[in-house]
Amino acid sequence: QVQLIQSRAEVKKPGASVRVSCKASGDTFADYSFTWVRQAPGQGLEWMGRISPYNGNTHYAPKLQDRVTMTTDTSSSTVYMDLRSLRSDDTAMYYCARDLGFAELSLGFWGQGTLVTVS
Amino acid sequence: EIVLTQSPGTLSLSPGESATLSCRASESVSRSHLAWYQQRPGLAPRLLIYGASSRATGIPDRFSGSGSGTDFTLTISRLEPEDFAVYYCQQNGFSPETFGQGTKVEI
Repeated sequence: QVQLIQSRAEVKKPGASVRVSCKASGDTFADYSFTWVRQAPGQGLEWMGRISPYNGNTHYAPKLQDRVTMTTDTSSSTVYMDLRSLRSDDTAMYYCARDLGFAELSLGFWGQGTLVTVS
Repeated sequence: EIVLTQSPGTLSLSPGESATLSCRASESVSRSHLAWYQQRPGLAPRLLIYGASSRATGIPDRFSGSGSGTDFTLTISRLEPEDFAVYYCQQNGFSPETFGQGTKVEI
């Protein structure tokens, strides 16, 4: 079955950068897009962006466009999310998620989450 | 961007009752691009409904979705103890994709 395994929790200082990884298994990696969603403590879900491993195309949330980069490594079936110039309000649980199916963009599979603390 | 407004913010119900959750979009959204997720405390969200009304694999039939255009509804009939959680709608038809702010269903 499809599994998404994310990297461990991180603690970063303001102004630093963080990289969160998400390793996929159980299906053909390049066939589906991946999305990053974050959730600040006690808050709702925030869509950060989407990447297609097939062609590398990305779409980012306008408020994060200048600080976020999403990439993929097809050789290891891993998706990466880099966030720069960290601020205290970037403290959140970061989730990667995969499309449910071909041309079905709902997020059918989720990683376990990676807590990023900026302090 | 499309703003999704969920109501009510909190729904206080008892097991066995039914819940009706609303998701209103600031612009028309294609039915094929409207999804609902459930999030229990401490866990990642889980897809419940995609395409406005199709249940994801393993989702019980007490969950149903309906609606079109700007108004969508998630109905939970016969609430079970494990259904008390936060529910989010999401549109994935236009970038940036967006989530509603969530509805908490509490006992």
